[in-house]
Amino acid sequence: EDKVVQSPLSLVVHEGDTVTLNCSYEVTNFRSLLWYKQEKKAPTFLFMLTSSGIEKKSGRLSSILDKKELFSILNITATQTGDSAVYLCARTSGTYKYIFGTGTRLKVLA
Amino acid sequence: KAGVTQTPRYLIKTRGQQVTLSCSPISGHRSVSWYQQTPGQGLQFLFEYFSETQRNKGNFPGRFSGRQFSNSRSEMNVSTLELGDSALYLCASSSNSGNSPLHFGNGTRLTVT
Repeated sequence: EDKVVQSPLSLVVHEGDTVTLNCSYEVTNFRSLLWYKQEKKAPTFLFMLTSSGIEKKSGRLSSILDKKELFSILNITATQTGDSAVYLCARTSGTYKYIFGTGTRLKVLA
Repeated sequence: KAGVTQTPRYLIKTRGQQVTLSCSPISGHRSVSWYQQTPGQGLQFLFEYFSETQRNKGNFPGRFSGRQFSNSRSEMNVSTLELGDSALYLCASSSNSGNSPLHFGNGTRLTVT
C-alpha cells in the first residue's frame, strides 16, 4: 500500500524559531491532504489542501501542497512552547479513507 | 457544538476477552471512521461507516468489527483480544469522509494483559 512519509521524525527548536515540516507521498491522483496537531489524545484539524500551489494560512501556521513533486509542507513561524506536539499529515486513499504518516514530534524549548 | 465523544476512556482487558468501544459523532455528521494508533505504526485505518453501511475497511483481521446505528453513533468490537491489540483507538466523524476533514475524539486507550 502507498505510504505517507513525514520528515523529520523529531525536531527540537527554541521559542521564536521557524520550522518546516515535510510530508511526501507516492501517488498523483488523490482528493485532499490534511494536517493535524496531536498533543495528548485527539488530533486536532489544522488544514485541508486540495489544490496544488495554493497556500493556506492560520496565524503563525501555513501549509502548501505540491501535487507535481508529491509533497506538502507545514510551516510554523515564531514558534511557542504551546506548539510542542506531534504533527500528522494524511492523504485520501480512494474514497472514505485516509492514510496517515507516522508524524513529526516537535518540541519547542522556552 | 459538542465534539466527538468516545467511551470508555480507558480499558484493561486480558487476552482472549472481547471489548466494545463506543463513539458518538458530532451532531449532523453521518460518517464515522475508526483508527488504531500505536507508537510503531502510527494511525492505521480500521473502517468507515456512513448511514449504517460500512463503505471501506482496512487491513485488520476479522476479529475487528464495527457497526453504525441510525443516529450515526458507532461501536467497534474486538474479539479474542491479543497483546498486540493494545493501542489508542480513535474515532473520527465528518460530514462526508473524503470531502471534508475528520474530527477526532479523545480515543479509548485499550491495554491487553
